[in-house]
Amino acid sequence: GAVVSQHPSRVICKSGTSVKIECRSLDFQATTMFWYRQFPKKSLMLMATSNEGSKATYEQGVEKDKFLINHASLTLSTLTVTSAHPEDSSFYICSARGLRSSQGYNEQFFGPGTRLTVL
Amino acid sequence: QKEVEQNSGPLSVPEGAIASLNCTYSDRGSQSFFWYRQYSGKSPELIMSIYSNGDKEDGRFTAQLNKASQYVSLLIRDSQPSDSATYLCAVNRDRGSTLGRLYFGRGTQLTVWP
Repeated sequence: GAVVSQHPSRVICKSGTSVKIECRSLDFQATTMFWYRQFPKKSLMLMATSNEGSKATYEQGVEKDKFLINHASLTLSTLTVTSAHPEDSSFYICSARGLRSSQGYNEQFFGPGTRLTVL
Repeated sequence: QKEVEQNSGPLSVPEGAIASLNCTYSDRGSQSFFWYRQYSGKSPELIMSIYSNGDKEDGRFTAQLNKASQYVSLLIRDSQPSDSATYLCAVNRDRGSTLGRLYFGRGTQLTVWP
């Protein structure tokens, strides 16, 4: 249980284009999903918290107009990097709160990640 | 002061030894704590969660929590080369709310040599 998928796993795009990344919880319903970014040799940086049916909550310093998040259903959240530039190149990882979140446990299960390279 | 601090290592132990990974956190009111393992180029994988003071064992892994000292550790017994990875400590940062956001440390790189 608690399987999270991401698509695509890798994307290379030209500067100025937009890229959409999908995050799906495969065997459970996730009311809350999280989006992280990780640069080489660095830890995970939380970008935003995505709640089904409501606007995402962005962390300080994250541009909401550049990183559009949509959580349309209990199993799908999407991150769109708009007008991507080389400095946006990174490893983007989503996570979902697990089955026991309703019981007060806050375990997060991560998708496999999407490596974005902007030329 | 960083919210979650870990020794970045690298920590190197021989196969079969006990690997000890440490983590301290700054928010005394934190309630839940997690250890994740991350292989190079992969996403984190949950190993252990711990919510109460004391020890919690799961196979070769033991998590230890001391809230008074704001300290959480992970012991890996009978270390195997396949345990070589970066181990991330994470702390729930949302006391009293349901958001469940996590603060992550920078990770400790562990190498187990045959």
